Amino acid sequence: DQQVKQNSPSLSVQEGRISILNCDYTNSMFDYFLWYKKYPAEGPTFLISISSIKDKNEDGRFTVFLNKSAKHLSLHIVPSQPGDSAVYFCAASAGLRGNTPLVFGKGTRLSVIA
Amino acid sequence: GAGVSQSPSNKVTEKGKDVELRCDPISGHTALYWYRQSLGQGLEFLIYFQGNSAPDKSGLPSDRFSAERTGGSVSTLTIQRTQQEDSAVYLCASSPDGASYGYTFGSGTRLTVV
Repeated sequence: DQQVKQNSPSLSVQEGRISILNCDYTNSMFDYFLWYKKYPAEGPTFLISISSIKDKNEDGRFTVFLNKSAKHLSLHIVPSQPGDSAVYFCAASAGLRGNTPLVFGKGTRLSVIA
Repeated sequence: GAGVSQSPSNKVTEKGKDVELRCDPISGHTALYWYRQSLGQGLEFLIYFQGNSAPDKSGLPSDRFSAERTGGSVSTLTIQRTQQEDSAVYLCASSPDGASYGYTFGSGTRLTVV
């Protein structure tokens, strides 16, 4: 049973536009959320995170929004660039510094078209 | 080294053979994780080592899978009597202290069982 769901396997966006990647979770114990980015033949790299005490975290072109009541988070990339083309994984943890392994979604492949 | 190193990068093996996958974490990182990504799937947690504590083996899919971590550093994931469904990319990650953020992943080992 998937605790972290990314229901869109792929997304295509034009360069300069906004990319919105969505993630839903089922475990109400999750209180820390992360996005990782993965290029082919490389390991995932950390992109941005958010704690459940916040509803928004921004880092440059990347913003993560958290809606706890809906158990939903999203990653916004604006403006999108061709170099953003990658697979994006949503991950969640039940307890910051709680020594619990991250639970990952299946990923969304983003293609940014020049 | 500067990052997490995994070897081999690719492994093709015959069904029924045993394989060993190696992970060299970042020096000083006390936490080490193994995940795998099968085709079309997300990152599936396998096993987690934290310092001198007993490993969390809750993600290992069968007793054909085992892992050890020697001297708190290098880890080896062993798959005995490989099956075709074991084909996947096996990813290793380390983090400074088991915190739920700050995972650094290696590039993975692509295992193909024929």
